[in-house]
Amino acid sequence: QVQLQESGPGLVKPSETLSLTCTVSGGSFSSYYWTWIRQPPGKGLEWIGHIYYSGSTNYSPSLNSRVSISVDTSKNQFSLKLSSVTAADTAVYFCARGDSSGWPFDNWGQGTLVTVAS
Amino acid sequence: SYVLTQPPSVSVAPGTTARIPCGGNNIGNRNVHWYQQKPGQAPVLVISFDTARPSEIPERFSGSNSGNTATLTISRVEAGDEADYYCQVWDTSGNPYVLFGGGTKLTVL
Repeated sequence: QVQLQESGPGLVKPSETLSLTCTVSGGSFSSYYWTWIRQPPGKGLEWIGHIYYSGSTNYSPSLNSRVSISVDTSKNQFSLKLSSVTAADTAVYFCARGDSSGWPFDNWGQGTLVTVAS
Repeated sequence: SYVLTQPPSVSVAPGTTARIPCGGNNIGNRNVHWYQQKPGQAPVLVISFDTARPSEIPERFSGSNSGNTATLTISRVEAGDEADYYCQVWDTSGNPYVLFGGGTKLTVL
């Protein structure tokens, strides 16, 4: 059974860059869409973007100017960078797996809370 | 841009049927996926492609999609079904991206 685990700082200062990594274990890394989704406290889910294992990316139109997702197939990891963060970026960040565009997310990490505060 | 609309809350008694709608313009032409999220946990896929149920999900969970409304139906509701439920679609008209509904809190009375 594939497992996903988010890691990274739990506290980021305003205007700085949020960086998270998702490590995938127990399954194939190839031929999947690797996705970041976030959830502000008490609010709903928001898709941030995804990367195909080959490296092609798509991002949320609302975050496109600040987000970057990269992949390291040698380590079975993919990473998120979100620049110029504000308090509005405080959220639980989930990584997830999808088979392809149009498919659901069938495996999720447990999520990691990132707080933006000085 | 495309919008998915869910009621903030639905309340039902144990043993009855809960229906959670997800509205969108001609959503019947799209594939809808549904997730259950309990407090402090990651979402879990309960219905994919409108009606498909993962093997680990009870048969009490079913889905439908037609016209402007997709619906998640939970039969013989149990206390353990109390959770937030989200619908999700892809928009592939341009660069593909994902949309979630705002979520519905199911309360079991």
